[in-house]
Amino acid sequence: SQQGEEDPQALSIQEGENATMNCSYKTSINNLQWYRQNSGRGLVHLILIRSNEREKHSGRLRVTLDTSKKSSSLLITASRAADTASYFCATDAGGTSYGKLTFGQGTILTVHP
Amino acid sequence: SAVISQKPSRDICQRGTSLTIQCQVDSQVTMMFWYRQQPGQSLTLIATANQGSEATYESGFVIDKFPISRPNLTFSTLTVSNMSPEDSSIYLCSVELWSLSGGSSYNEQFFGPGTRLTVL
Repeated sequence: SQQGEEDPQALSIQEGENATMNCSYKTSINNLQWYRQNSGRGLVHLILIRSNEREKHSGRLRVTLDTSKKSSSLLITASRAADTASYFCATDAGGTSYGKLTFGQGTILTVHP
Repeated sequence: SAVISQKPSRDICQRGTSLTIQCQVDSQVTMMFWYRQQPGQSLTLIATANQGSEATYESGFVIDKFPISRPNLTFSTLTVSNMSPEDSSIYLCSVELWSLSGGSSYNEQFFGPGTRLTVL
């Protein structure tokens, strides 16, 4: 079963605007990773945040993690039409589930030129 | 990161037949994983494939339906057996790579481009 819930399920914005996607999960985690998927193709790894980290940046991406609320957010700043894709969060619970990712349902982002 | 390739990229198969999907990595990795993504859905882990041991399957997936081979540290195959239309999905392999940052190590998982399977 899917551990994560993502919201919104779909997000439509104009180029240049910021896009924020949220992910919630149910169990303790070792780390959380965000991925992008274009048109049903393979997943592109965007960023990993460890359980002892609260915020991480990579280019136009900013990820936050609140382990007390079991939630994470992905912010894409100054969005571009090329950012149009599905975005998934995936958690690694570690321990006996080490390496086994549990994915959220995903957010479909559409950026209009 | 790693360069991961999958073959075939897509296929259309008849009910009752089997398809073997190959996953090749450009570096040696200990852990490889196989995921399924049904149409319009998220990804679900099928099994973990470690070299030198039997694959371990997640609940709802069995070896008879999804036999996996892992002959070396750069290659794995997943077979979808006795296919039905419900097996129509994207199948993705992934590998886990370790990185060092700030004195700590952490594992990132990278995915292949996927195999889009349609069963008629």
